Amino acid sequence: AQSVTQPDIHITVSEGASLELRCNYSYGATPYLFWYVQSPGQGLQLLLKYFSGDTLVQGIKGFEAEFKRSQSSFNLRKPSVHWSDAAEYFCAVGGRSFQKLVFGTGTRLLVSP
Amino acid sequence: GAVVSQHPSRVICKSGTSVKIECRSLDFQATTMFWYRQFPKQSLMLMATSNEGSKATYEQGVEKDKFLINHASLTLSTLTVTSAHPEDSSFYICSAISGDSSYEQYFGPGTRLTVT
Repeated sequence: AQSVTQPDIHITVSEGASLELRCNYSYGATPYLFWYVQSPGQGLQLLLKYFSGDTLVQGIKGFEAEFKRSQSSFNLRKPSVHWSDAAEYFCAVGGRSFQKLVFGTGTRLLVSP
Repeated sequence: GAVVSQHPSRVICKSGTSVKIECRSLDFQATTMFWYRQFPKQSLMLMATSNEGSKATYEQGVEKDKFLINHASLTLSTLTVTSAHPEDSSFYICSAISGDSSYEQYFGPGTRLTVT
């Protein structure tokens, strides 16, 4: 069965410091991987996605993620965090077209001054 | 492009009544829409998959007679919570897939339902 694990429930990072949010997945076929961000009371915004090709993908707001098949991971990174990045981050995995997404439990990012 | 709206954004209803939530794709035709439910501080749980012109496919454990889904056009899907109870209070989020980009789901802003 497909699943996504985000081992960190919440992370606190100082503004300007680097960030890495972990995501591990289990999927029986070639995975399509996504990172979404959710601000309180809001819907989800897509940060980036991986379908194929270059395993390092660039997203919006300065985020990037690296797909590592051998580790079944798709960790999200940002070199310098801004206070506005404080939000909930969800990793998700899906398959071929029109298949449903399976979401991780999310990681809440707190940014300290 | 690829904007999905939901209406209402917040709704409060009394126990036993029904409430309808609309999900619209504003600038594309959505062949498939998904309905999710999110409890406080938890992840999104898929409730059902809705395809235009056909019956929705419900996930295991989701009562199809309680959560009625209609996908009458390529730009509109509705979720009706029938005979709502306080335990139905939650954040409901829809998403849509464009026929042109079948791999990416575009999410609506969500609807906060409170049943008193």
